[in-house]
Parts: sequence; C-alpha cells; structure tokens
Amino acid sequence: AQSVAQPEDQVNVAEGNPLTVKCTYSVSGNPYLFWYVQYPNRGLQFLLKYITGDNLVKGSYGFEAEFNKSQTSFHLKKPSALVSDSALYFCAVSLNSGNTPLVFGKGTRLSVIA
Amino acid sequence: DARVTQTPRDKVTEMGQEVTMRCQPILGHNTVFWYRQTMMQGLELLAYFRNRAPLDDSGMPKDRFSAEMPDATLATLKIQPSEPRDSAVYFCASGLGTGLEAFFGQGTRLTVV
Repeated sequence: AQSVAQPEDQVNVAEGNPLTVKCTYSVSGNPYLFWYVQYPNRGLQFLLKYITGDNLVKGSYGFEAEFNKSQTSFHLKKPSALVSDSALYFCAVSLNSGNTPLVFGKGTRLSVIA
Repeated sequence: DARVTQTPRDKVTEMGQEVTMRCQPILGHNTVFWYRQTMMQGLELLAYFRNRAPLDDSGMPKDRFSAEMPDATLATLKIQPSEPRDSAVYFCASGLGTGLEAFFGQGTRLTVV
C-alpha cells in the first residue's frame, strides 16, 4: 500500500525567503506524485505533478518540486515566498499503473510572515 | 471555467437524521472520488467511481454511509443515520483517471449535533 509522510505540521518562513515543504513517500512500485494547496474554506487546488521524465517539476504560482527516487522524496519549493502563499499544503501519491487513487499526507501549514 | 460543484456548502443536522450530499463532477471526467477531511485523520478516501461504477468503498462505514452515481452528472453521498462523529468536511473530486490528478469541489461542511 502506498503512503505519504509530511514530517512538518507547520512551516514558518519570512516573505522573500525560499521555502521548502517536505514530503516522503512509500509505494511498492513507481509513483505518481502530486502537490495540492488548500486555502481556508476552500477545496484542494492542484499545484503540480510528477509522472515521469525530468525530476524537477514546475507548477502553478512559481512552485516547483524535485523527485528524488533514492530518498523517496518529493519536496515542494519556491525561491521567494509570498504572504499569499500561506495555506495548507498536501502531498499525494498513487501508483503509476494509474489504477490506485491518490493517498494524501496529513498536510503542512505554511505561514509566510511579512 | 470547469469546476466540481458540491451542495450544500454547509449542513447542520441533528443526530439520527439523514444527510445527503451532492456533487456535479467536471463534464467529461470519468472518475469521481469522495474524501472526508477532519483535523485528526486528515484526508480519507471514502469511495470512488469510474464510469459511474463503484470501484472501492472500503473507506466508508457500510452500515450508515452509501454512495451512488445516478448519472454521469451527479454523485451522491448519503449518511443515515448521522452521528456526531460524522462531523467533517466532505469533498468530492473528479478526474480523468484513478491515479491522475483529481479536481476538488469546495466541500460540504457537515456538523451533526
């Protein structure tokens, strides 16, 4: 069975500084990996995904994530954080067979301080 | 702008009452998911459908929860009877495949008192 760990419940970063939100995964096979963002009282919004190919994936709002197979990680990054990036971030994984639904991590709350 | 639509947005009900939540998936999407979000458990998959057929509902308490897709434009999640522990935000999501990105609705916040 696949699983996702987001080791940090909360990440605080100053506006303008780079941010990283960590994610590690466990699957018995090759993964599809995703990042979603949730703003208050809203549904989850898709940010980016890794299916195959280049390990560095670029997504919406200037976010990117790097797939590291040896470390089974898929950390979310942004070079310069904005206050408006403050939200709840979820990492998710499915098997690349495409036949298993997404399994989500517990989420990391990002707070960007002006 | 295609989006998943969920109704109602908020529902407060008394314990023992029936609750029905509705979802209109994005037109053309063949896979529909129901997730539940709570502070303690995070996002849990309750059930999902492909081409309107239920593929897995092992995440749902079978004795009280039921999920259906009467047609391609409507998915329903029903709780009967509801209990206070069912209080959560219920999300519907749709996509073009089981393991690909899913697009989420804004959720139904259920409070059972």
